[in-house]
Amino acid sequence: RKEVEQDPGPFNVPEGATVAFNCTYSNSASQSFFWYRQDCRKEPKLLMSVYSSGNEDGRFTAQLNRASQYISLLIRDSKLSDSATYLCVVDVAAGNKLTFGGGTRVLVKP
Amino acid sequence: DVKVTQSSRYLVKRTGEKVFLECVQDMDHENMFWYRQDPGLGLRLIYFSYDVKMKEKGDIPEGYSVSREKKERFSLILESASTNQTSMYLCASSPTGHLYGYTFGSGTRLTVV
Repeated sequence: RKEVEQDPGPFNVPEGATVAFNCTYSNSASQSFFWYRQDCRKEPKLLMSVYSSGNEDGRFTAQLNRASQYISLLIRDSKLSDSATYLCVVDVAAGNKLTFGGGTRVLVKP
Repeated sequence: DVKVTQSSRYLVKRTGEKVFLECVQDMDHENMFWYRQDPGLGLRLIYFSYDVKMKEKGDIPEGYSVSREKKERFSLILESASTNQTSMYLCASSPTGHLYGYTFGSGTRLTVV
């Protein structure tokens, strides 16, 4: 089992629709969770941290389910500019480093 | 804003050359990382460093070495470049602890011919 696993997609989403996807992680002791966004041929950029109680940033909502060991990202009212790969990042390994999932590709279409 | 600067955006090198990729961050971060990213393989950790003159192997260190002589600078060295090292190389930095995630440089797309 991979340490951080994501559905690679692509998720084809009509503009204005809602899309949600999950990421599972292997270490029940993990404490830090993030979603990053990566555009084609660009570097990953931090989208949002994921807090235990769940958190929202505009049209984006992140949730953490510790019992089932997954985090989720929901995008409401999708825009064409939301088309990107979304990377799940978790501190599954010991020490001061984070582990990246393979990414979920989202394509928003008119 | 934290800035992580990678010295080259695109680089073309010949097989067997020694290649230096430079990364500089300006926010006094303790931790620095080198990744490579290839289609279908995601981000793979090559080396990382938690302090000056300190380095640790990541998941794929073979064929690479690193140097961290100053806190702000972390260099990746390809001892003898090979075609299978053609990739996008990404440098990242973070403060101690996981609270803030990583900040990435804009990447160096290296082609070895």
